[in-house]
Formats: sequence, structure tokens, C-alpha cells
Amino acid sequence: EVQLVESGGGLVQPGGSLRLSCAASGFTFSSYEMNWVRQAPGKGLEWVSYISSSGSTIYYADSVKGRFTISRDNAKNSLYLQMNSLRAEDTAVYYCARVDTAMAGNDYWGQGTLVTVSS
Amino acid sequence: QSVLTQPPSASGTPGQRVTISCSGSSSNIGSNYVYWYQQLPGTAPKLLIYRNNQRPSGVPDRFSGSKSGTSASLAISGLRSEDEADYYCAAWDDSLSGPLYVFGTGTKVTVL
Repeated sequence: EVQLVESGGGLVQPGGSLRLSCAASGFTFSSYEMNWVRQAPGKGLEWVSYISSSGSTIYYADSVKGRFTISRDNAKNSLYLQMNSLRAEDTAVYYCARVDTAMAGNDYWGQGTLVTVSS
Repeated sequence: QSVLTQPPSASGTPGQRVTISCSGSSSNIGSNYVYWYQQLPGTAPKLLIYRNNQRPSGVPDRFSGSKSGTSASLAISGLRSEDEADYYCAAWDDSLSGPLYVFGTGTKVTVL
């Protein structure tokens, strides 16, 4: 069974840092592209970042470029999001999502981890 | 801010057909595939339609997607109470600053 489990969320002050993790199981993690997607409370979905299966290709949303860093460790079946210089508008539930090779859509999602940026 | 525009709400009675529109531009819908996601209350999104009009295994054929030019639409026929959810379109955008994956503004479907 495919599982994606996010962790690392919590309360952080503006300007602070946080590192999110996404533990993958039930599939060959190294073969799949991955995305981070977030959802502010009561708001819609916002794509954050993409990483290719090898980690060689990375994209970011303009809203996080220069502040967030996506990475992966295929040996540990894990995806990461390093978030620096956090702002109140970064408050959201952060989901990791697998990109299906054939469909090219996000076919499996984690349950999400809440990040709250507040003083 | 989202570059894909959807109506904020749509509704219908059980058995009716509901259609949700998604308006974009030449840099996203006009040149890339469209995806649709369903998000039931309190849960993670679920892939509903991929590559404009394809359904993943397990998605009922009551759901159908289409695309024309820079717009796309999702149709739900034979509306059921369990279809009450938020629906989002999505597509890659070939922006000048690099590829961006953009979601629509979202549409809340209510079953009356």
C-alpha cells in the first residue's frame, strides 16, 4: 500500500525556519517525481515545489523561491522541504504528493502537516 | 495568486448534471494537460481526471473532463450526495521564470 507521511510541522515565529519531511513507503520512491502542495486555512490549493525522481530537476513557486529548498534522499525513501525566512502567509497545511509516471498527475497524497507562522 | 479561474460554487439536486469551468491562458491550459482534483471535507485531494479527460482507475464514469483552447471543464453527471466537495483544476504553466504548476481557484459543489 502506498503511504506518504508528512512530519515536522508546528508553530514557528516569523523569520524562523522549519524542515518538513515526507516518509514514503509501498512503492519504489526513487522512480517517482514528487511535489509539495500547501493549503492555507479555509483557502485553496497552492503548489509549492517539484523535484524529479533523481533530484536533478527542481522547480519552485514564485512565492517561495529563494526561501524554500526541496530535496530528497532516495536511500531513505524521504522527501524534504527546508523552509527559511518564514512569513505569516506561509501558514498552511503542507502536503507531499507523488506524481504518477503514466498519468503525470498527483495520484497519492499524504495527510498533511500544519505549519503555523506566528509570534 | 491562481492563474486558473473557476466559479466559486456550483450546485444541483441528486441525479442532475453539474459542470465546472476552468479558464486559463495560452501558457497553461492552452499548451499543457489539465488535471482535476476532488477534495472532500477534511481530507487530502484526490486525482479525478488526468491529461484533460482520462479517469484514474476507480473513478466513476460519472466524472468527465474536456478541454478546448484555453479553457477546460469538469462534468459530474448523476450527481450524488458524496460528490459534495471542493474541486480544483490544475495545469503546468510555461512561465518566463520557469515551469509552474498552477491550481484553479476551486469550486465548492453542493448537493441540494
